Amino acid sequence: EDKVVQSPLSLVVHEGDTVTLNCSYEVTNFRSLLWYKQEKKAPTFLFMLTSSGIEKKSGRLSSILDKKELSSILNITATQTGDSAIYLCAVALRTGAGSYQLTFGKGTKLSVIP
Amino acid sequence: NAGVTQTPKFQVLKTGQSMTLQCAQDMNHEYMSWYRQDPGMGLRLIHYSVGAGITDQGEVPNGYNVSRSTTEDFPLRLLSAAPSQTSVYFCASSYARGTGGSPLHFGNGTRLTVT
Repeated sequence: EDKVVQSPLSLVVHEGDTVTLNCSYEVTNFRSLLWYKQEKKAPTFLFMLTSSGIEKKSGRLSSILDKKELSSILNITATQTGDSAIYLCAVALRTGAGSYQLTFGKGTKLSVIP
Repeated sequence: NAGVTQTPKFQVLKTGQSMTLQCAQDMNHEYMSWYRQDPGMGLRLIHYSVGAGITDQGEVPNGYNVSRSTTEDFPLRLLSAAPSQTSVYFCASSYARGTGGSPLHFGNGTRLTVT
């Protein structure tokens, strides 16, 4: 059974701290790994990591894919209260139909205190 | 640019009632999918479609039907609602059909309560 596990499930930090969120996976037919941020409504896309793009950075956020360890981390430096959200990790799997589907982890709830 | 539009935003049903959650996208995406999100469970795939006329089951398909008669629309039908179907439902779409999972664009969700 395909599995995506995120840790920790929740995290409380102070503004200015640096945080690292973890995602590990046990899947067949891995295609890519995606990170999403979910505030009150719909998840919004952050990064997609593939074999040809194992490190991404955008402002204070960065992510690395370790294909050997079957895991990824999402780093947020100099955290702000606006970073408070649920961070979702998803793995895209190729299906037998020649398409793909995403399997999500349960998410990490990050709370940033002023 | 509307993106992915879901209706209704909220719905209360009685056990045994049926209803259809609507999803439409205006980005000409081939791939569309439905997820449900429950506390502590993350997002779980219900059904997905890689193009008009093609649908497939995800992780939790029981109790739900879908169809894809056009590229734009992907409705989700609850045939006989049960309290276990109380959840937040998200529709999502993307360009890719088999190229490795291009990012999904999500609608704002439908909060369904079954009493």
